[in-house]
Amino acid sequence: SQKIEQNSEALNIQEGKTATLTCNYTNYSPAYLQWYRQDPGRGPVFLLLIRENEKEKRKERLKVTFDTTLKQSLFHITASQPADSATYLCALRGTGGFKTIFGAGTRLFVKA
Amino acid sequence: DVKVTQSSRYLVKRTGEKVFLECVQDMDHENMFWYRQDPGLGLRLIYFSYDVKMKEKGDIPEGYSVSREKKERFSLILESASTNQTSMYLCASSLSGGSHYEQYFGPGTRLTVT
Repeated sequence: SQKIEQNSEALNIQEGKTATLTCNYTNYSPAYLQWYRQDPGRGPVFLLLIRENEKEKRKERLKVTFDTTLKQSLFHITASQPADSATYLCALRGTGGFKTIFGAGTRLFVKA
Repeated sequence: DVKVTQSSRYLVKRTGEKVFLECVQDMDHENMFWYRQDPGLGLRLIYFSYDVKMKEKGDIPEGYSVSREKKERFSLILESASTNQTSMYLCASSLSGGSHYEQYFGPGTRLTVT
């Protein structure tokens, strides 16, 4: 069955450092990969999308890579800030249908 | 800005009660979704609707039904609430016509069934 794995352990980093979160998937060939941010008690908020034919995408301090051979995406936050502390969810979509598969998310804590 | 609102942030119901969760979006999106989110399990799709009066089952539809009488409103119904339906329920909407469209989520309803 299709499966997304995100590190269930929280990631703790110091302010100013680069946070790197990993998303691995199996038994799926997604056309699109999305990253969302979720704050406690809130719904997820869309951050970035990357297509299968794109290797890398950037938006301000965020960078996403997508390696369809390794079946992996990396999500980087450079110059991290305490306000970046949240749970980050990876989500996959195929080209057809309606279904988006979400990972369970990785909790990020950025210490001042 | 897209806005997705849900009728309640917190809800406590008793086992066997019929429960209605309402979701409204204001951006004329064709697609609407209901998910539940449990620790360690991620978001699991309950039902999806791609048009008024149209619905598709997601991964875990058992014990739930949905209604979409108007484009902006998508309701989730728990026919007879059970304790294993205690969860965070999230509604989302998106444009149709492309799989790349992101979903916009509501704030969620934390439902406790006692």
